[in-house]
Order: sequence, then structure tokens, then C-alpha cells
Amino acid sequence: NAGVTQTPKFRVLKTGQSMTLLCAQDMNHEYMYWYRQDPGMGLRLIHYSVGEGTTAKGEVPDGYNVSRLKKQNFLLGLESAAPSQTSVYFCASSYVGGAQETQYFGPGTRLLVL
Amino acid sequence: GEDVEQSLFLSVREGDSSVINCTYTDSSSTYLYWYKQEPGAGLQLLTYIFSNMDMKQDQRLTVLLNKKDKHLSLRIADTQTGDSAIYFCAESPGYSTLTFGKGTMLLVSP
Repeated sequence: NAGVTQTPKFRVLKTGQSMTLLCAQDMNHEYMYWYRQDPGMGLRLIHYSVGEGTTAKGEVPDGYNVSRLKKQNFLLGLESAAPSQTSVYFCASSYVGGAQETQYFGPGTRLLVL
Repeated sequence: GEDVEQSLFLSVREGDSSVINCTYTDSSSTYLYWYKQEPGAGLQLLTYIFSNMDMKQDQRLTVLLNKKDKHLSLRIADTQTGDSAIYFCAESPGYSTLTFGKGTMLLVSP
């Protein structure tokens, strides 16, 4: 199993450009999550999904959109990138979610918006 | 509201014990977690404790939970240089999401 993979690993954007971050998991997990990690801020949840075709907002959803068309993939879109979106983005997945379920993390995507 | 607080930095010598502390606010959290992040990598679950437990031991790791004070600690015995990383405390109030602290950077010197 590859676990949770993220594409790309690193990207530089100009302000106003758009891009999509791809997360894929091969563990047949129902729940998937997108976080951003900023210095001194820890991890903050952007959006999450509790199953194919469903999405929900997290703590910091503004400026991002997501889609879960296939169970194994969770896409994070930035329609018009801003410098404030410079961050490290982590995807995670878990089997059914809830208090006792471990979240498995991808290696991260480092995004720089100029 | 949910909030998880941790000290930002801890420095120890190799062979010493490390204790990382965390306080949380949501008393309905049924599980509390410790995740480890090595440089350039994602988070990896280290251990977790159920809220009706006071202590959990797993090899070199000991988790202590004081539910009355909403205080969680992670003790690493015989700390090694390979333990240098950022450690995140997280709570789960029973929904499908986790709330993470800002992380404690542990630096182990030889």
C-alpha cells in the first residue's frame, strides 16, 4: 500500500492563478481531510469529506473548494491564489472518522504564492 | 469552544526523559492523541488514550491524563536523537474531526 499520496510536492504560483492539489489513498478509507500548516499555527482543517460525493467545511474554508468524485481521491482547489495561502498542505484519511479513528497523513504539498 | 495548548519548544540531552505537556478545553473529548512530525514529513500517530484512562504505557512512551484539569502529557524515556521532531497533541470531541495544538518542537542533543 502506498497509503496517502499527494501531488504535487511543491508548487510556486503567482497571485490570482489557480491550481488543484490531488490527494489519493489506497486504504479504502471513507473519511478524507485537507489541512494547512503554518508556522506557529499548528494544523487547521480546511475541508473534509465523510464519503464519496460529500464535502464539509472545516475551520478555514474560505478561498478553497474541494471535490470527492471518487472514494480514493480528494481534490483541493484554489481558484484565485493569494499570498496568504502560502502554506504546507496536508491531506489525511481515516476509515470511518470519529473519536477513535486514526488519521493517516500524506507527505504534504508546499505551496508558495508570490 | 475547542482549543489545545502546548509549549512550543523543549530541549533535552540524549538519554534523559522528555515530558511534553498539553492542555485541552473540550471535556467531551473521548480520545486524546499524540502525533509526531519529522522534518519534511506528514504527521504520524504515536499513541492515543481513551478519556476514562489515567495512564497508558507503550514501550518508551507514557501518556498521563488528568481529566479534571484537562491536562495531557507525553513522557519519552531514554530520549534519542531520532526522537527530535514536532509533537502534536490533538483532541476529538466525538465528531469526525481532530483539533490539534500548535506543536512542541523537541530537540535532542548528543
